[in-house]
Amino acid sequence: KNEVEQSPQNLTAQEGEFITINCSYSVGISALHWLQQHPGGGIVSLFMLSSGKKKHGRLIATINIQEKHSSLHITASHPRDSAVYICAVAPRRGSARQLTFGSGTQLTVLP
Amino acid sequence: EAGVTQFPSHSVIEKGQTVTLRCDPISGHDNLYWYRRVMGKEIKFLLHFVKESKQDESGMPNNRFLAERTGGTYSTLKVQPAELEDSGVYFCASSQSRFNSPLHFGNGTRLTVT
Repeated sequence: KNEVEQSPQNLTAQEGEFITINCSYSVGISALHWLQQHPGGGIVSLFMLSSGKKKHGRLIATINIQEKHSSLHITASHPRDSAVYICAVAPRRGSARQLTFGSGTQLTVLP
Repeated sequence: EAGVTQFPSHSVIEKGQTVTLRCDPISGHDNLYWYRRVMGKEIKFLLHFVKESKQDESGMPNNRFLAERTGGTYSTLKVQPAELEDSGVYFCASSQSRFNSPLHFGNGTRLTVT
């Protein structure tokens, strides 16, 4: 079992829909990253959070440390949101572990 | 501020050849990471530099991979000799500090070994 599990693996939505991508992890962390990878492109960091909730435009990320779970929400989705969304967990301070990545969620938003 | 840059963006080589990937981190970022994504799998850590020193190279697959970071600035990752299973996308990232610091990724180098 991977230390970081994302769901769903693939998601197709109609433009305008509210989207949720989930991430569960099994190790202690100092922070959780949500990343976005466009086809053929690099990786963009969307959020880094260690508690609560963060919002940037139409994107919202939440984390529940006790439940070891985070969600990424996209409101009023648009075809340009189509990308792979990746969750990654950063180790606790002092840990020798490195960033551990989920397998990603392929999001396709249809016009 | 310039972002993390990687080149080449694509490289196609034959099995047995050598390839060198380069990463220029954001200026002032002491921490530099190499990651790899093999088709269909999650991104995996390769190694971590702090300035010019290798802090952690536990993710390097084998001794065909050699990474350097001259003077604590840019880094190179050399694969010699390349094998088919080395194909994938190699990402570089940098950050100011190791913990609780945003990571900045490059666009990656897509390596295809034929």
